[in-house]
Amino acid sequence: DAKTTQPNSMESNEEEPVHLPCNHSTISGTDYIHWYRQLPSQGPEYVIHGLTSNVNNRMASLAIAEDRKSSTLILHRATLRDAAVYYCILRDMGGKLIFGQGTELSVKP
Amino acid sequence: EADIYQTPRYLVIGTGKKITLECSQTMGHDKMYWYQQDPGMELHLIHYSYGVNSTEKGDLSSESTVSRIRTEHFPLTLESARPSHTSQYLCASSGGRGNTGELFFGEGSRLTVL
Repeated sequence: DAKTTQPNSMESNEEEPVHLPCNHSTISGTDYIHWYRQLPSQGPEYVIHGLTSNVNNRMASLAIAEDRKSSTLILHRATLRDAAVYYCILRDMGGKLIFGQGTELSVKP
Repeated sequence: EADIYQTPRYLVIGTGKKITLECSQTMGHDKMYWYQQDPGMELHLIHYSYGVNSTEKGDLSSESTVSRIRTEHFPLTLESARPSHTSQYLCASSGGRGNTGELFFGEGSRLTVL
């Protein structure tokens, strides 16, 4: 399973954009980049995923580098409810999701 | 809203007891997963299934076993619980092909073995 590297923690101010980076230098051509987040005392929830092109949905945007060795999850306006652990995961054709340490995002009012 | 349910949400039992954690989904998903997570730690995949009568061990070795007799049901069993099994167990399911479908997680079963 290809690995990802994320910062352990990040801080943001409320209502400001947040850019959460992820490195995945060993990504293969068929791996999808998935992002999940886990709020305190809850199970993970899906945020977004992509293969090559940048993706947008109601929760966030995903910017994928041209060589696909890195990606960035963008929260356009952080709220206090966005405080969570964010996981960047490469999902192979087998479909398994192997979680790493993730980035713990704290949001200050 | 995800239609995946886990019972019990909380369980406190003594050493040596047999326990079964239930997981059911009503979305018709073929793929189902069990993860184990200790407080403040990352999730570890312990079992997964890609359909009826298909089960595989995950990346973290576990003494638990699973079965998949019906599409909607994926129970996890510990034959003889020990304090080292104390943890949160999260069930998930996924539809779609290959590696594109999102995983839907249940609320988890928090197990404490005394």
